[in-house]
Amino acid sequence: GNSVTQMEGPVTLSEEAFLTINCTYTATGYPSLFWYVQYPGEGLQLLLKATKADDKGSNKGFEATYRKETTSFHLEKGSVQVSDSAVYFCALLPNAGGTSYGKLTFGQGTILTVHP
Amino acid sequence: DAMVIQNPRYQVTQFGKPVTLSCSQTLNHNVMYWYQQKSSQAPKLLFHYYDKDFNNEADTPDNFQSRRPNTSFCFLDIRSPGLGDAAMYLCATSSLRDSYEQYFGPGTRLTVT
Repeated sequence: GNSVTQMEGPVTLSEEAFLTINCTYTATGYPSLFWYVQYPGEGLQLLLKATKADDKGSNKGFEATYRKETTSFHLEKGSVQVSDSAVYFCALLPNAGGTSYGKLTFGQGTILTVHP
Repeated sequence: DAMVIQNPRYQVTQFGKPVTLSCSQTLNHNVMYWYQQKSSQAPKLLFHYYDKDFNNEADTPDNFQSRRPNTSFCFLDIRSPGLGDAAMYLCATSSLRDSYEQYFGPGTRLTVT
């Protein structure tokens, strides 16, 4: 079956530090990969996505590259801010390029806290 | 802006008293999902509708029901809430037009007293 594994949290950083949250996956075929962010008390917001190998998703200074050879989709940001404090979820959708309907598989989530 | 709307954002109910959560969408997506999420854990899929076809997850308790009267609306009914049902409930939608990417609503925080 499909699975997503995220690095253990919580992660605590100082403002302007470099962020990496590791995400690896197991899936057949060519899933689409997502990072969702959840701010305190809010629903999930799509942060970025990639639908095929070597695609790089980016948004709000965050980046992640779809690496099929290492089955990874690590989230990075060069300089975090206090406002980035949230829970981050890596997820995959086994949708074969967007034409096949499937269910999202989530990682366990990583809590990020950024201090001033 | 097209969006997924959940009402209410916060709901308090008593132990055993039926409660209904609602979700509406202006995206005209044909698939709608209900998730349960507890304390920063990953969301857990309860069920989904593909058009009018209802699909229940195998481990979803019978206490949870859903209705989808039309494309835009979907309801989650909890027939006899227990303390363990206190959680955030998330609605999401998707469609082939958007490569089945899921769009989430803001969630309803349910408290059971």
